[in-house]
Amino acid sequence: EIVMTQSPATLSVSPGERATLSCRASQSVSSNLAWYQQKPGQAPRLLIYGASTRATGIAARFSGSGSGTEFTLTISSLQSEDFALYYCQQYNNWPPLTFGGGTKVEIK
Amino acid sequence: EVQLVESGGGLVQPGGSLRLSCAASGFTFSSYAMTWVRQTPGTGLEWVSGLSGSGGPPYFADSVKGRFTISRDASKNTLYLHMNSLRAEDTAVYFCAKLVRGAYYMDAWGKGTTVTVSS
Repeated sequence: EIVMTQSPATLSVSPGERATLSCRASQSVSSNLAWYQQKPGQAPRLLIYGASTRATGIAARFSGSGSGTEFTLTISSLQSEDFALYYCQQYNNWPPLTFGGGTKVEIK
Repeated sequence: EVQLVESGGGLVQPGGSLRLSCAASGFTFSSYAMTWVRQTPGTGLEWVSGLSGSGGPPYFADSVKGRFTISRDASKNTLYLHMNSLRAEDTAVYFCAKLVRGAYYMDAWGKGTTVTVSS
């Protein structure tokens, strides 16, 4: 099973600042990596797939990068609606599909 | 618009059974693999089970293998999760999600249904 590790667990950022979230895989997942955003009481929403491709309707301030075992989600200028939980998920080897433990982006 | 609506959650005693349903609309249900993901209160996401649209084998997380089964009814555009021998650690919000064709990330999710296993 591929273990996904996200860091930090919590990221405190001021509105308008940049946020950088990390995701590490225990073995290579190539570019088969997705990012999701989840707000309290809601289902996750797909942000990024293929490590760097924005999903339909996702704002350009969200960008993904990386391949192999190291990945980054960057939010270039945080808006109020971006304060949420973020998860990475690998889909290179399944079953099982595996998620990282999540990063909470909170207002500083 | 793709819509996924889960139902069937509730309170069940340890050792009991429950069947979750996920009604799908807005896409050709039989053409897509579907999956169940759960989330324990305050923790992260755990993949539970998946099933292709084309009659392929089901897949299960080790934590539920032998206790849960997954099925789909194309005539009703509905995905099911049959849960047996439930344990306290199965308590979670269960989401169904649509998998992208040819890849295994989720591009649409339901709002979830809550399962509580407690005596």
